[in-house]
Amino acid sequence: AQSVTQPDIHITVSEGASLELRCNYSYGATPYLFWYVQSPGQGLQLLLKYFSGDTLVQGIKGFEAEFKRSQSSFNLRKPSVHWSDAAEYFCAVASGGGADGLTFGKGTHLIIQP
Amino acid sequence: NAGVTQTPKFQVLKTGQSMTLQCAQDMNHEYMSWYRQDPGMGLRLIHYSVGAGITDQGEVPNGYNVSRSTTEDFPLRLLSAAPSQTSVYFCASSHDGTRTYEQYFGPGTRLTVT
Repeated sequence: AQSVTQPDIHITVSEGASLELRCNYSYGATPYLFWYVQSPGQGLQLLLKYFSGDTLVQGIKGFEAEFKRSQSSFNLRKPSVHWSDAAEYFCAVASGGGADGLTFGKGTHLIIQP
Repeated sequence: NAGVTQTPKFQVLKTGQSMTLQCAQDMNHEYMSWYRQDPGMGLRLIHYSVGAGITDQGEVPNGYNVSRSTTEDFPLRLLSAAPSQTSVYFCASSHDGTRTYEQYFGPGTRLTVT
């Protein structure tokens, strides 16, 4: 069965500093990978996705993620965070064939220090 | 487009009561799903539907019923509420089987069972 691990429950970053959120997945074939963001009291918004092709994908709000098959990772990065980036971030994986939804990681809570 | 809408936003139930969480989308999406979000657990798939008249179970289906009589609506029924069903419930939809994984989420329903 597929699974997603986000090793960091909380991360604190100073405003203007760079950010990297880690995500490791377990899946036998080529995974479909996603990063979602959830602001307090809100639903989930898709930041970016990887299906195939270029392993560095660009998303909204200045985020990017790099797919590394050898490390089974899909880490999310941003060169300079803003206070508005404070939120919960979820990595998710979908199987390549079925329609049985997404498997989510447990999330990383991002705190931005002024 | 309103996107994915959910009602109610908040609900308190007593143990043993039943209720229906409503979900509707106006994007003509074939695929719809329900997730629950619990602290430290990420999102877990309850039920999903690949089209009107077709539903299937996800990871945590016990205690929940769904039906899909129209493309637009995908209600989630709690048959006899239990405190373990206290959670935030999200409905999601996506275009079709080939793009199943790019899902759009509703704002959520926060349910408390006492």
